Amino acid sequence: QSVLTQPPSVSGAPGQRVTISCTGSSSNIGAGYDVHWYQQLPGTAPKLLIYGNSNRPSGVPDRFSGSKSGTSASLAITGLQAEDEADYYCQSYDSSLSGRYVFGTGTKVTVL
Amino acid sequence: QVYLVQSGAEVKKPGASVKVSCKASGFIFTSFGISWVRQAPGQGLEWMGWISAYNGNTNYAQNLQGRVTMTTDTSTTTAYMELRSLTSHDTAMYYCTRAGDALDMWGQGTMVTVSS
Repeated sequence: QSVLTQPPSVSGAPGQRVTISCTGSSSNIGAGYDVHWYQQLPGTAPKLLIYGNSNRPSGVPDRFSGSKSGTSASLAITGLQAEDEADYYCQSYDSSLSGRYVFGTGTKVTVL
Repeated sequence: QVYLVQSGAEVKKPGASVKVSCKASGFIFTSFGISWVRQAPGQGLEWMGWISAYNGNTNYAQNLQGRVTMTTDTSTTTAYMELRSLTSHDTAMYYCTRAGDALDMWGQGTMVTVSS
């Protein structure tokens, strides 16, 4: 069902930098639609982490940053902390099939 | 403070219907849409559809067309999602979200279990 592809897992030691890719196509990210990122801590509802490709909502630490280029987007976490261990999802809009929101496959971040 | 508070967990038999509610507060309800997202156990997020709280326009995911109906009641600032002809594949946590440019506020989730 997911049309945005993410790596299943990434890991890093505390303090390190990790990146998560989100690969789409010409009908979603490549068409110019914004990419948003969500963090889902274990047992909780997802929370908006990055909106409009690179903007952080109030309260989100500046350790989290987003970027977009062509048909892909990326989320970077610098200075990785134990509390960052969570699932991360990208999301965009797809103009095919009468238009719909689409989510990435999700990435589990593990802090070693 | 912006809140989306959902109704409680449901257990349904195959073939039945379920209706989940989502009470909004802390913002102008009719200025936003409400999207519904579900997550099967151990799986990723699946967008189900969107409804404009302003005029009731809807856009449903293709795989749920004909089985899902989303509505809003502006007098009580509540959104509803009804899913019919349930199967075990519909067992999931169901979330309502405030849909602006992004899904910037999420309800706490409603677990729907379909089991005979």
